[in-house]
Amino acid sequence: EAGVTQFPSHSVIEKGQTVTLRCDPISGHDNLYWYRRVMGKEIKFLLHFVKESKQDESGMPNNRFLAERTGGTYSTLKVQPAELEDSGVYFCASSQENYNSPLHFGNGTRLTVT
Amino acid sequence: AQSVTQPDIHITVSEGASLELRCNYSYGATPYLFWYVQSPGQGLQLLLKYFSGDTLVQGIKGFEAEFKRSQSSFNLRKPSVHWSDAAEYFCAVGASNQGGKLIFGQGTELSVKP
Repeated sequence: EAGVTQFPSHSVIEKGQTVTLRCDPISGHDNLYWYRRVMGKEIKFLLHFVKESKQDESGMPNNRFLAERTGGTYSTLKVQPAELEDSGVYFCASSQENYNSPLHFGNGTRLTVT
Repeated sequence: AQSVTQPDIHITVSEGASLELRCNYSYGATPYLFWYVQSPGQGLQLLLKYFSGDTLVQGIKGFEAEFKRSQSSFNLRKPSVHWSDAAEYFCAVGASNQGGKLIFGQGTELSVKP
C-alpha cells in the first residue's frame, strides 16, 4: 500500500506570503494528524481530523493556520500570512482507528520562511 | 504538566556496541509509550509501543524497551548497533482516550562509528 504522501517536500517563502501544504493519507485511514517540528524543538501536535471533521485542533498556534480535509481524503494546511517563526518541518500522519492503531507518518514538508 | 524528556541530544557509539537511549515522562494518566525512528529524508517509523502487560517490549530492527513506572522511564535498548541504525530517535507518550495525539521528546541523534 502507498504510504502517507506530503507535498511539497521543501518550500521557501518570504514573510507575509501564503503557503499551502498537502497531505495524502493512506487510503482508508479515517484519522489524519498534523504535527510540526520547529528547529531544535520537539515535535508538537497541531490537529486531528476524523474523516472531514476536526476532532481536536488544540495545537494550532494561531488563526494564521487553516487546516481542511476535503471529503475526508487529503488534507491541506495553509499558513497565511507566514511569519519567520513558522519555519520548521510539518509532518502528517494517518491511522486506521483512533485507539491502539499505529501512526503512519509522511516524510514531512520543510518550510523555510525568510 | 505532561512532558517527555530525552536527556541525550546526541550519542555516538561504535558499531557492534550496545545502546541505551533514555526517556523519562511526566504524565497524569496511565501512559501509552512509543519509540519512533527517523532516518534522513524519511518520515517517522514506529519501533515499538507499550500499552499494558509485560513491561519489556520487543520492537522491530532488534530494539527493545522497558517500562519502569517507579522511575517514569521507557528506555530503548539494542544489544549490538549496526551502522544502519544511525538516525534520530523519538520517545513519545499518549493517552488511551486521545489516540494519535502524542507528546514527543526532543529526540536523540545517534551516530555510529565504524
